[in-house]
Amino acid sequence: DVKVTQSSRYLVKRTGEKVFLECVQDMDHENMFWYRQDPGLGLRLIYFSYDVKMKEKGDIPEGYSVSREKKERFSLILESASTNQTSMYLCASSLASPTNEKLLFGSGTQLSVL
Amino acid sequence: QKEVEQNSGPLSVPEGAIASLNCTYSDRGSQSFFWYRQYSGKSPELIMFIYSNGDKEDGRFTAQLNKASQYVSLLIRDSQPSDSATYLCAINTDKLIFGTGTRLQVFP
Repeated sequence: DVKVTQSSRYLVKRTGEKVFLECVQDMDHENMFWYRQDPGLGLRLIYFSYDVKMKEKGDIPEGYSVSREKKERFSLILESASTNQTSMYLCASSLASPTNEKLLFGSGTQLSVL
Repeated sequence: QKEVEQNSGPLSVPEGAIASLNCTYSDRGSQSFFWYRQYSGKSPELIMFIYSNGDKEDGRFTAQLNKASQYVSLLIRDSQPSDSATYLCAINTDKLIFGTGTRLQVFP
């Protein structure tokens, strides 16, 4: 059963902490994405990657960074967590074009920053 | 104007009825259109995609695209309580843009 696995379902962190969110896919997909989802704002793209060691900024990259050292793993890093980063974080992957819009999502990480 | 607009709902329909979900978009250059379903507390899952004007049917689901009027619709025939979820419209311009979703409630 193919899937995208996010390491934590719930996470509670303190303001100023460095936070790592891990995502692993087992489908040999080229493309990987990080979104956050907030009520009333929908899904917003933070960062994406079309290849190993490659990364591109999405719509809201401020306060975040990413790492893709291996094809199957895409990590989201909050350098210094703030309360406005409390959100549901969703990782997704897809094949390369022309099907790159057919995203397969992980189960999500609900992050609370106190 | 938002790039992708959906009525947040909730849209309430009785079991067995047709549910009609609508989405409008602003970028005329959009080429591909998607519907994702998201159950409460779960992540979105792709249920339909359409690239050409007209209708595309898959079981009880029909996606309708009208590029001239810049809207895409999802019809769910014979609605079931298990269809109760939030439906997200997504449009590909140079990247995938999601609407905020319409919450559908199907009551017995």
